[in-house]
Amino acid sequence: DAGVIQSPRHEVTEMGQEVTLRCKPISGHDYLFWYRQTMMRGLELLIYFNNNVPIDDSGMPEDRFSAKMPNASFSTLKIQPSEPRDSAVYFCASSRTVSRRTGELFFGEGSRLTVL
Amino acid sequence: GEDVEQSLFLSVREGDSSVINCTYTDSSSTYLYWYKQEPGAGLQLLTYIFSNMDMKQDQRLTVLLNKKDKHLSLRIADTQTGDSAIYFCAERPPGGSYIPTFGRGTSLIVHP
Repeated sequence: DAGVIQSPRHEVTEMGQEVTLRCKPISGHDYLFWYRQTMMRGLELLIYFNNNVPIDDSGMPEDRFSAKMPNASFSTLKIQPSEPRDSAVYFCASSRTVSRRTGELFFGEGSRLTVL
Repeated sequence: GEDVEQSLFLSVREGDSSVINCTYTDSSSTYLYWYKQEPGAGLQLLTYIFSNMDMKQDQRLTVLLNKKDKHLSLRIADTQTGDSAIYFCAERPPGGSYIPTFGRGTSLIVHP
């Protein structure tokens, strides 16, 4: 089975540019999470969706960040305009309600963003 | 991850045992997890323990849970260079939300 697929794996952009990160969750999973990983802050939950609906976006740093999930197989995280402090690895993860017994999250390989 | 505490680094010699420690704050947490992140990859569930257990063993891995002290540990026997990774402790709170809270991760460095 295919795992969580993220693109791009690496992105280098200049300050002020728009960045769009993409995620395809595992088929059948009804939860989708966006995390950000930095040396300073560790792993931060930005937002999560259940059945394509945003449930908690309290971790989104500011209005420059937005996330959408137009259907069960696709989500985007957009940063506009980007700033150097947004440089991080962004992870998408998915899970399904029936695995609530263990609550395992399945992570993608991440998108490493560098804003110059 | 501010509610789950881990030391940031651990260095061990190949063949020795590694012990990674974690403290959590919610004594009602139902599940506690260890995730492993290899270089350049995402996190992957390594093992988990249910809150009514004290210990869980899986090959070279031993998880110990001390609910009274809210302390979780992961012991890796006969540590290999391939075990070098970041290990994240996470807790799952009780109630409707099953979203785990992650610690900042412990970087395990294994010397030959």
